[in-house]
Amino acid sequence: EAQVTQNPRYLITVTGKKLTVTCSQNMNHEYMSWYRQDPGLGLRQIYYSMNVEVTDKGDVPEGYKVSRKEKRNFPLILESPSPNQTSLYFCASSLLGSRWDTQYFGPGTRLTVL
Amino acid sequence: KNQVEQSPQSLIILEGKNCTLQCNYTVSPFSNLRWYKQDTGRGPVSLTIMTFSENTKSNGRYTATLDADTKQSSLHITASQLSDSASYICVVTPGEGYGNKLVFGAGTILRVKS
Repeated sequence: EAQVTQNPRYLITVTGKKLTVTCSQNMNHEYMSWYRQDPGLGLRQIYYSMNVEVTDKGDVPEGYKVSRKEKRNFPLILESPSPNQTSLYFCASSLLGSRWDTQYFGPGTRLTVL
Repeated sequence: KNQVEQSPQSLIILEGKNCTLQCNYTVSPFSNLRWYKQDTGRGPVSLTIMTFSENTKSNGRYTATLDADTKQSSLHITASQLSDSASYICVVTPGEGYGNKLVFGAGTILRVKS
């Protein structure tokens, strides 16, 4: 089944404890992206990647890191999480990242930073 | 500033009734507009995509309309079902030369009651 998977789905952590949220897609998509979703706001892009070893900042990159060493994986790293990073995170992928491509979203990771 | 505003924020209707969700945008130039459905606990799933030259696009009981002159779109749901309960998100892609970054609305939360 074509899909985007994220792990973990739920995570509660404490301020300053490094964490990684994994994202994997099995559709051989070139483009991958991370978003955060907060109540009353639209999805905001954190980072995106047009291809392996190519990553770029989105609208809200502060406090996050990413890497794209393989086409299928795009982990999101929080080196020192803070409470304002409590949010619902979505990974997405599309074929080439063109404006006509449909983005396919993962199921989301709900992160709480105490 | 490119923005997408949706109304109402939330809506409750009885099963079997019709409803219409609104989306106003200021993104210019404009490439395409999508409606996504986001079930609780899941990632958004694309319902329709329209270019500036299209007025209407249907997907089963979902019909999206677009007026590019007034920068308005609507999503009409016919004969609602309990499974239509979800958040509906309007997403606009800027035109050529203005990047591929999607502009997301905050969504309309629809609840269908029996």
